[in-house]
Amino acid sequence: NAGVTQTPKFRVLKTGQSMTLLCAQDMNHEYMYWYRQDPGMGLRLIHYSVGEGTTAKGEVPDGYNVSRLKKQNFLLGLESAAPSQTSVYFCASNKNGRTDTQYFGPGTRLTVL
Amino acid sequence: GQNIDQPTEMTATEGAIVQINCTYQTSGFNGLFWYQQHAGEAPTFLSYNVLDGLEEKGRFSSFLSRSKGYSYLLLKELQMKDSASYLCAAASGGSYIPTFGRGTSLIVHP
Repeated sequence: NAGVTQTPKFRVLKTGQSMTLLCAQDMNHEYMYWYRQDPGMGLRLIHYSVGEGTTAKGEVPDGYNVSRLKKQNFLLGLESAAPSQTSVYFCASNKNGRTDTQYFGPGTRLTVL
Repeated sequence: GQNIDQPTEMTATEGAIVQINCTYQTSGFNGLFWYQQHAGEAPTFLSYNVLDGLEEKGRFSSFLSRSKGYSYLLLKELQMKDSASYLCAAASGGSYIPTFGRGTSLIVHP
C-alpha cells in the first residue's frame, strides 16, 4: 500500500514549456486534490475531483488543467509554464471529501526559469 | 470566502508546553483540521474538531470554540522533533474542502 505517490519529485522548466504532473493513489479514494505551496502562502487549492471523470476549479486554477480519467490517477497539466508557477505541488486524496482527513503525496518541486 | 489567521512563527523550549492559536471566519462551518508539516515533507493529519471542546491525543490536544471562531493546538512535553510547521484548516460550505491558513513555524530549542 503506497498511499499517495507523485511523479516527478523535481522538475526544472523553461518559460513556455509544458508538463504534466501525475498523482496516483491506491486507497480507492473518491476525492483527489491538487495544491500549491509557496513560502508564506500556505496550501492553496488549484483543482479537485469528486470522482472518476469529474473535475472542479479551486482557489487558484488559472494556468492549470486537470484530468481524472481513472479513479486512481489525477493529472495536473501546465500548458505554458510561467515563472509564477514555480512552487511545490502537493496532491492529496480522501475517501468521501467530507470530514475525512486528507492524505498527501510527497510533493513535486517545480522551478520555471 | 474564508479568512484563517495563525501566527507565523513561535519558539519554545524542549519539555515545555506551547499553544498555537487559529482564528477563522467561514460560512457554513464543517470542522477544523490541524496538520503537521516537517520541512521538505508532506503535511500529515493531527486532529479534527467539529464540536466545541477539547480533543486529546497523547501529547497533542486540539480545542474548538465555534461561537468564537477559534481553535488552538496544544503541544505538551515538547521534543526537538516537534519543530515543524503546523497548519490550521477550516472546512465549510457544501464541498467540505478545507481552506488552509499560512501555517505556524514552531522552533523547539534545547
